[in-house]
Amino acid sequence: DTEVTQTPKHLVMGMTNKKSLKCEQHMGHRAMYWYKQKAKKPPELMFVYSYEKLSINESVPSRFSPECPNSSLLNLHLHALQPEDSALYLCASSQDTGALGTIYFGEGSWLTVV
Amino acid sequence: KNEVEQSPQNLTAQEGEFITINCSYSVGISALHWLQQHPGGGIVSLFMLSSGKKKHGRLIATINIQEKHSSLHITASHPRDSAVYICALNAFGNEKLTFGTGTRLTIIP
Repeated sequence: DTEVTQTPKHLVMGMTNKKSLKCEQHMGHRAMYWYKQKAKKPPELMFVYSYEKLSINESVPSRFSPECPNSSLLNLHLHALQPEDSALYLCASSQDTGALGTIYFGEGSWLTVV
Repeated sequence: KNEVEQSPQNLTAQEGEFITINCSYSVGISALHWLQQHPGGGIVSLFMLSSGKKKHGRLIATINIQEKHSSLHITASHPRDSAVYICALNAFGNEKLTFGTGTRLTIIP
């Protein structure tokens, strides 16, 4: 199994809503990532989890709250988002943050904030 | 100047043509990745290189560490190869990926 599974595929939410994006991998990877990607731009790193602990937060606003309940799951909790937060949110995983290896991406969650 | 430059930004070719996408970078790296992104959004990792050349099916990736340059080649291109191809690198001492701006490839039947 070399898949990173993200749900939901599409999400439309109002600015007062609370929602969550979910990501799952069963490759035994110990590093998991959240990226944000706007149209025609490369992905931007948001958060890195290493061995279930947050190791990098790229100064992301607190309306985005990551959570790593166990080594296979990564959530991104969303609250009080702004329309400019509409984007493709990509989850990825790799064996380790320090060891070089292939990084596996999910299909992404398309988020629209209205 | 961006640390990673890709060329061309856009490329349209006929089915069957040989395709080359280039990536130049300005920092020392421990690895370079070639990624493919289809319009649906998901990103697929094609290659990870630290030296030399790798081949997978119709895809070939090369890297010249001294010249700080990598190329991705597609032989016998097919419409299903239409996608955005992204070069990304691990700079020395930086566990984060640095992404190029991507090359949008369109293969016309």
